[in-house]
Amino acid sequence: GAVVSQHPSRVICKSGTSVKIECRSLDFQATTMFWYRQFPKQSLMLMATSNEGSKATYEQGVEKDKFLINHASLTLSTLTVTSAHPEDSSFYICSARQAFSSYNSPLHFGNGTRLTVT
Amino acid sequence: GENVEQHPSTLSVQEGDSAVIKCTYSDSASNYFPWYKQELGKGPQLIIDIRSNVGEKKDQRIAVTLNKTAKHFSLHITETQPEDSAVYFCAASEAGDDKIIFGKGTRLHILP
Repeated sequence: GAVVSQHPSRVICKSGTSVKIECRSLDFQATTMFWYRQFPKQSLMLMATSNEGSKATYEQGVEKDKFLINHASLTLSTLTVTSAHPEDSSFYICSARQAFSSYNSPLHFGNGTRLTVT
Repeated sequence: GENVEQHPSTLSVQEGDSAVIKCTYSDSASNYFPWYKQELGKGPQLIIDIRSNVGEKKDQRIAVTLNKTAKHFSLHITETQPEDSAVYFCAASEAGDDKIIFGKGTRLHILP
């Protein structure tokens, strides 16, 4: 149980275009999803917290107009990288916590999306 | 805010031996400490977690210990196997806070 599916697993796009990444909780409902960015051989950096039915909360230094987050249902959150540039190339990972669970309950991660901007 | 330090950054262990990864945290209000394993090209997978009302937890070859006074916690893997090779992240979370703060990770190599 507690499977998080992320799509696509890899995407290559041209500079200036936008890319949408989907994160789905397959067998549970998630009121809160988190988006992380990971550079090679580094830790996970929290970008934003996505709340179902409300605006996302962005971490300091993360441009909300560049990284658009939408959490329209209890099983789907999307991250759109707008006007992508080569420096946006990274591994993006989403995670979800089961709805109505305590704060101190496990986060379940997707398998990540490798974004390459050429 | 919370800060999690993790050591070592790289660890090589002979197959069959034990591996220990140590983490410290700064916020005494933190009370949830998960450990994640990340294989190449994949997302992190939860392998074990511990809450602050428990000092030790074990699941087969994996154990985690927590010292609240010293604000440190450790992951112990016994009888290591080749499939244990991966990057391991410790993390900490404060009660009432949605966020989980990760350490920088430990790259574990199991040597044949």
